[in-house]
Amino acid sequence: GESVGLHLPTLSVQEGDNSIINCAYSNSASDYFIWYKQESGKGPQFIIDIRSNMDKRQGQRVTVLLNKTVKHLSLQIAATQPGDSAVYFCAEISNSGGSNYKLTFGKGTLLTVNP
Amino acid sequence: DADVTQTPRNRITKTGKRIMLECSQTKGHDRMYWYRQDPGLGLRLIYYSFDVKDINKGEISDGYSVSRQAQAKFSLSLESAIPNQTALYFCATSDYRGIDTQYFGPGTRLTVL
Repeated sequence: GESVGLHLPTLSVQEGDNSIINCAYSNSASDYFIWYKQESGKGPQFIIDIRSNMDKRQGQRVTVLLNKTVKHLSLQIAATQPGDSAVYFCAEISNSGGSNYKLTFGKGTLLTVNP
Repeated sequence: DADVTQTPRNRITKTGKRIMLECSQTKGHDRMYWYRQDPGLGLRLIYYSFDVKDINKGEISDGYSVSRQAQAKFSLSLESAIPNQTALYFCATSDYRGIDTQYFGPGTRLTVL
């Protein structure tokens, strides 16, 4: 079946270091991918997205890379800060419309930033 | 996100009871979603609605029903709650413009005893 998964369930980094969170997917028909951040006690918050026809997209301190050959997605956070500590989810969406809409979230990676 | 509100925020109920979770949004989005989140399982889609007259089942719709009362309101019902429906429930909205970025509410923690 189709699945979205994460290679590492936890990641611990030092403040100021760069963080890389990985995600594997298996649905080659996915139209785009989204990364979400969820802080304790809150709902997921959008970070960045990328269409399936792109390889890379940059935001403020974050970069998402998409490797369709190996069906791999990563989120890079530059100069990680304590406020970045959270669970990060990837999601893949196949948006062919109506009842054919399909969204799958990964199980999440817990990022801990040590001061 | 204050633009998406959920009520109640916490609820403890007993097996067999009917429960309704409500979601309201002020973002003016057409699309609304209900998810449940369980430890180790991530977020799973229960139902979604692309407009007031459109309702679709998600990955895990059994045991749940929904009602889209208006563009801004989407409620989730458990007709006869069971303990394995104990979870954190999230409502989300989106305004599809090529990419379906979803905005989540603060969540409802439901415990079924």
